[in-house]
Amino acid sequence: DQQVKQNSPSLSVQEGRISILNCDYTNSMFDYFLWYKKYPAEGPTFLISISSIKDKNEDGRFTVFLNKSAKHLSLHIVPSQPGDSAVYFCAANTGTASKLTFGTGTRLQVTL
Amino acid sequence: EPEVTQTPSHQVTQMGQEVILRCVPISNHLYFYWYRQILGQKVEFLVSFYNNEISEKSEIFDDQFSVERPDGSNFTLKIRSTKLEDSAMYFCASSITSGGHGTDTQYFGPGTRLTVL
Repeated sequence: DQQVKQNSPSLSVQEGRISILNCDYTNSMFDYFLWYKKYPAEGPTFLISISSIKDKNEDGRFTVFLNKSAKHLSLHIVPSQPGDSAVYFCAANTGTASKLTFGTGTRLQVTL
Repeated sequence: EPEVTQTPSHQVTQMGQEVILRCVPISNHLYFYWYRQILGQKVEFLVSFYNNEISEKSEIFDDQFSVERPDGSNFTLKIRSTKLEDSAMYFCASSITSGGHGTDTQYFGPGTRLTVL
């Protein structure tokens, strides 16, 4: 079951530069998308979300873009900071209070 | 800031034993969830719970699993007879889901690491 895919297992970015994390999905019924950040031995921490009626949502340094025709979303972090180093998960669901389907995660390393 | 809490942080048990994992969701949230993450794998949905009933469950959530909201604050996951393959991080989550913008966001607890020997 690979309904949500994050094809890059890892990404290294220099401090101050832009980090772009990508996510693809196959289920056209998904209508709400979320990004979570996770540190080892901790729970996923909500970062930002977007509903399918929008194509962009911005919150401070974090922006999520949704391209429904391509079934693709991306998370932009700018500027990247060392504290952003973590595993980032893309997740999606199909309706109110339905289960989240997670991607496999991308490990972001922000270097000095 | 309100947060989801879980106890214990780590549980070690023998195969075949029963375990109860506990969660306190965010107080005004209405929907509750359990997920798990086996080491090196993705986070997987187990069950969702609303109005004292299971609203959705995955194929992982078989008869050895049960959930309960024994009082107004706790939400528990019971595994009746643990197996080696139940070893994982178990995450509780909750959401308001009142229909307003952003209310469907699920907020996760820190997790319980279950080790079955």
